[in-house]
Amino acid sequence: DQQVKQNSPSLSVQEGRISILNCDYTNSMFDYFLWYKKYPAEGPTFLISISSIKDKNEDGRFTVFLNKSAKHLSLHIVPSQPGDSAVYFCAASVYTGNQFYFGTGTSLTVIP
Amino acid sequence: EPEVTQTPSHQVTQMGQEVILRCVPISNHLYFYWYRQILGQKVEFLVSFYNNEISEKSEIFDDQFSVERPDGSNFTLKIRSTKLEDSAMYFCASREGGLNTEAFFGQGTRLTVV
Repeated sequence: DQQVKQNSPSLSVQEGRISILNCDYTNSMFDYFLWYKKYPAEGPTFLISISSIKDKNEDGRFTVFLNKSAKHLSLHIVPSQPGDSAVYFCAASVYTGNQFYFGTGTSLTVIP
Repeated sequence: EPEVTQTPSHQVTQMGQEVILRCVPISNHLYFYWYRQILGQKVEFLVSFYNNEISEKSEIFDDQFSVERPDGSNFTLKIRSTKLEDSAMYFCASREGGLNTEAFFGQGTRLTVV
């Protein structure tokens, strides 16, 4: 049962342009959402998060948007840089639980 | 910067053998996790551990698996009798606790069962 879905397995973007990574979820009890970045042979690295009481959180070049009614979140990277090339996972958790549910990941390639 | 460390980075074992994967979480963290990622597949939750006991576990975490925090710093995952399908990257993570805190992941242990 895939409660967190990333429907685009890959995305290519030109350097300097905006990268938009999307994530959908099915569990309305999720109240905390995170984005992780993963390079090959490394563990996921926390990037940015958002709680369900907000609809936007910004940290430098990274902005996460949450649309609760659509059960959708997105990560915007502006401007995209070649070093951003990695696999991006969205994750979600329920207030009363400990587990983080991960999406399947989107591989971002930023073309110089 | 504090980090989660995992050893070994790569473990090769024969089918049916026991393996222990080791993790040192960040020192003031209260929640500990094991996840795994089979090559080309999603990151899957195995187990969470809090207050010296398992708080959640997935269907994957059957009787072949166990976790332990033997000495207040290490957090181990034991697989009693490994199967070929246990081959994966195993990630340990820890979290500070409290509302809306992120988990920090280790670099992973690549387990290869032959």
